[in-house]
Amino acid sequence: AQSVAQPEDQVNVAEGNPLTVKCTYSVSGNPYLFWYVQYPNRGLQFLLKYITGDNLVKGSYGFEAEFNKSQTSFHLKKPSALVSDSALYFCAVRDKSGATNKLIFGTGTLLAVQP
Amino acid sequence: ETGVTQSPTHLIKTRGQQVTLRCSSQSGHNTVSWYQQALGQGPQFIFQYYREEENGRGNFPPRFSGLQFPNYSSELNVNALELDDSALYLCASSLKFSAGGSYEQYFGPGTRLTVT
Repeated sequence: AQSVAQPEDQVNVAEGNPLTVKCTYSVSGNPYLFWYVQYPNRGLQFLLKYITGDNLVKGSYGFEAEFNKSQTSFHLKKPSALVSDSALYFCAVRDKSGATNKLIFGTGTLLAVQP
Repeated sequence: ETGVTQSPTHLIKTRGQQVTLRCSSQSGHNTVSWYQQALGQGPQFIFQYYREEENGRGNFPPRFSGLQFPNYSSELNVNALELDDSALYLCASSLKFSAGGSYEQYFGPGTRLTVT
């Protein structure tokens, strides 16, 4: 079965410091990977995706993610965190086992950026 | 903000009742997916609609049903509500076949359902 894991329930970082939110995946074949962000009482906002090509993917709001096939990881990164980045972050993989464009989500990581 | 809208924003129902949630897709998108997000968890796939037909279903009982209309908007219906149905229900629209195989889904703000 395909899955993603987010090993950290919460990540704390000081404003201005680099941040990393971790994600590992278990997929047969080449994965389609996504990061979404959720602010309180809001839906999910698409940040970035990896389908194929360069292992470093750039997305919205200065975020980027590095795809590492040997480590089956897709960690989300940002060089300098902002207080406004504080939110819930979800990693997801597209389920390729059927005809649906279905996403399988991790359990989420709460990012807290302290001023 | 995406072009996906959902109504209502919040809803309180009693156990055993029925509920209908609505979703309008982003312009140009032909596929709608519904997800359930329980408190403290990631979204779980309920089902997907394409060309007004169910195109795949997650591990949810038949009392969860849906519709897609010719304008690609959609409804999620839940019968015989249970306390565990309390959750945020998210609608997402996408293109089933998109150039470059992008496959990203765009989510609405969700409907918060509370079952008492």
